[in-house]
Amino acid sequence: EVVLTQSPGTLSLSPGERATLFCRTSQSVTSLYLAWYQQKPGQAPRLLIYGASNRATGIPDRFSGSGSGTDFTLTISRLEPEDFALYYCQQYGFSSWTFGQGTKVEIK
Amino acid sequence: QLQLQESGPGLVKPSETLSLTCTVSGGSISSSSYYWGWIRQPPGKGLEWIGSIYYSGSTYYNPSLKSRVTISVDTSKNQFSLKLSSVTAADTAVYYCARGYSSSWYDHWGQGTLVTVSS
Repeated sequence: EVVLTQSPGTLSLSPGERATLFCRTSQSVTSLYLAWYQQKPGQAPRLLIYGASNRATGIPDRFSGSGSGTDFTLTISRLEPEDFALYYCQQYGFSSWTFGQGTKVEIK
Repeated sequence: QLQLQESGPGLVKPSETLSLTCTVSGGSISSSSYYWGWIRQPPGKGLEWIGSIYYSGSTYYNPSLKSRVTISVDTSKNQFSLKLSSVTAADTAVYYCARGYSSSWYDHWGQGTLVTVSS
């Protein structure tokens, strides 16, 4: 099983600041199979990024994804009030899907 | 507009079987482009993939749950279902159904349903 480790656990930032979230996989994964989700309290996760760097439909361009191999990054260029939430990375491989443990982006 | 809606009992007794159904509207569950999955989230914790089913009927399960999980699809009703046997309090969670694409990501999710395991 591929294990995903997200860091940091919590990111305390102010609106307008840049957020950088990391996702490290225990084995090299195909970039096509790496996704990022945003989850707000009481809501289902929402797909943000697929294929490591492609924004899903309706996702603002302040969200961007990058990375390859075992190291992937989600960047929010300028935090808006609605961006404070939980973020999860997810990968597919060997007929199995796994999620990271999440990074909370909170208001400083 | 594709929508997914989970339904089923909100309370299940220990050792019994949890059964949930996901009804898909606004799109066909038989499309070869997609697969369908169940993901859960214990209160205050992260997301855990339970299993997925393709239109062909092929299923894939989380190895840690495989012995207790069955996912099936009913194309006539545009639904897919989850059965999790021998539940314990550790199975208490919000259960989500979701549509998957390109063997990788989940692009549409249901709102989730809380299932509590308690006597």
